[in-house]
Amino acid sequence: NAGVTQTPKFQVLKTGQSMTLQCAQDMNHNSMYWYRQDPGMGLRLIYYSASEGTTDKGEVPNGYNVSRLNKREFSLRLESAAPSQTSVYFCASSQSWGELFFGEGSRLTVL
Amino acid sequence: AQKITQTQPGMFVQEKEAVTLDCTYDTSDPSYGLFWYKQPSSGEMIFLIYQGSYDQQNATEGRYSLNFQKARKSANLVISASQLGDSAMYFCAMRGTSGSRLTFGEGTQLTVNP
Repeated sequence: NAGVTQTPKFQVLKTGQSMTLQCAQDMNHNSMYWYRQDPGMGLRLIYYSASEGTTDKGEVPNGYNVSRLNKREFSLRLESAAPSQTSVYFCASSQSWGELFFGEGSRLTVL
Repeated sequence: AQKITQTQPGMFVQEKEAVTLDCTYDTSDPSYGLFWYKQPSSGEMIFLIYQGSYDQQNATEGRYSLNFQKARKSANLVISASQLGDSAMYFCAMRGTSGSRLTFGEGTQLTVNP
């Protein structure tokens, strides 16, 4: 049972570098999400995709871009990483009104 | 806009006792869903329980129950007979009719003492 798979699990970047977090789900879910988790702030929505071919901004989209490549895959790109983007990133998927299923998280450090 | 408030940053409970984790919400949506998630120290997010705003009865899942008081806009999680493995961060979340997005509270760190 793969569920939601996100890669990489750990990444260290220097300020200004770019990277892409990959996410894939095998549950045939319509909706996919990217959240970031910072201490004392819970999970904050970066971007989401309600269905294949659509993406929308969440609470904290600045500095990020996303691509819903197909129904299975939803990637998150940092074009020019900043120390403020040091965080744990979670990808998740759901049917429209069901619970979210989360990946294991990706810990990103920007120096 | 939707807002979830969890006012207890940390809670302590003795093993085998019950504990209530508070969650209040604010929304103008006529229909919405409320969720609770558990995050142990290993970091994964585990879905616990769901309550729909029009559900007639409070949701229950094993030792977890949701004390839903719609007029007070509260959706408190009750864990009965606490176990050491219940020590974790707990998040309340809400989804309204305006979209598929889920809004999370800041979380409550629960510690179960032996």
